[in-house]
Amino acid sequence: AQSVTQLGSHVSVSEGALVLLRCNYSSSVPPYLFWYVQYPNQGLQLLLKYTSAATLVKGINGFEAEFKKSETSFHLTKPSAHMSDAAEYFCAVSRMDSSYKLIFGSGTRLLVRP
Amino acid sequence: KAGVTQTPRYLIKTRGQQVTLSCSPISGHRSVSWYQQTPGQGLQFLFEYFSETQRNKGNFPGRFSGRQFSNSRSEMNVSTLELGDSALYLCASVGTGSDEQFFGPGTRLTVL
Repeated sequence: AQSVTQLGSHVSVSEGALVLLRCNYSSSVPPYLFWYVQYPNQGLQLLLKYTSAATLVKGINGFEAEFKKSETSFHLTKPSAHMSDAAEYFCAVSRMDSSYKLIFGSGTRLLVRP
Repeated sequence: KAGVTQTPRYLIKTRGQQVTLSCSPISGHRSVSWYQQTPGQGLQFLFEYFSETQRNKGNFPGRFSGRQFSNSRSEMNVSTLELGDSALYLCASVGTGSDEQFFGPGTRLTVL
């Protein structure tokens, strides 16, 4: 079975500060891992994905994540927060074998203070 | 190219009614998945269709059903609506050979 845990339902940072959103996964098979962002009244937009290639993954809008198998983690980071980064972020896992089914974490709302 | 479209965007129904939501995937995409998003339960997988066949189903009661047409458009139906069915219903499509799901803007269903 697969599952995802996101630590911290809310994270608050100052503009220009480091953003760190935590994600731990559980999977009995090599996982595919994703980070999505959701702005108010919108659907989900893919930020980045890990699909068993490079462990350090770079995504859009300056975000990146590192896959650490030993820690079963896939934390999302951005060196310098911008006001426009305020949104909800979801980590998701998939087997990507015979199905594209995504299992999502509970989400982390990022607040950016001016 | 056009993204995933969902209609209607907003819907208000009363308990006991039924509702049908529609999703048009990106042109050429044959896989369509549906998710329910609520404040309490978060994002939960409903079902996935590929080439008109249901390939996977989440843990939802039989009141939730779906189908996919030959043009890859998909519909989901919820019968005998309950207050707890109030949610944002998201549809996503994937292209053949890809692993990236593109999400639509969702349909916001309110059950009164």
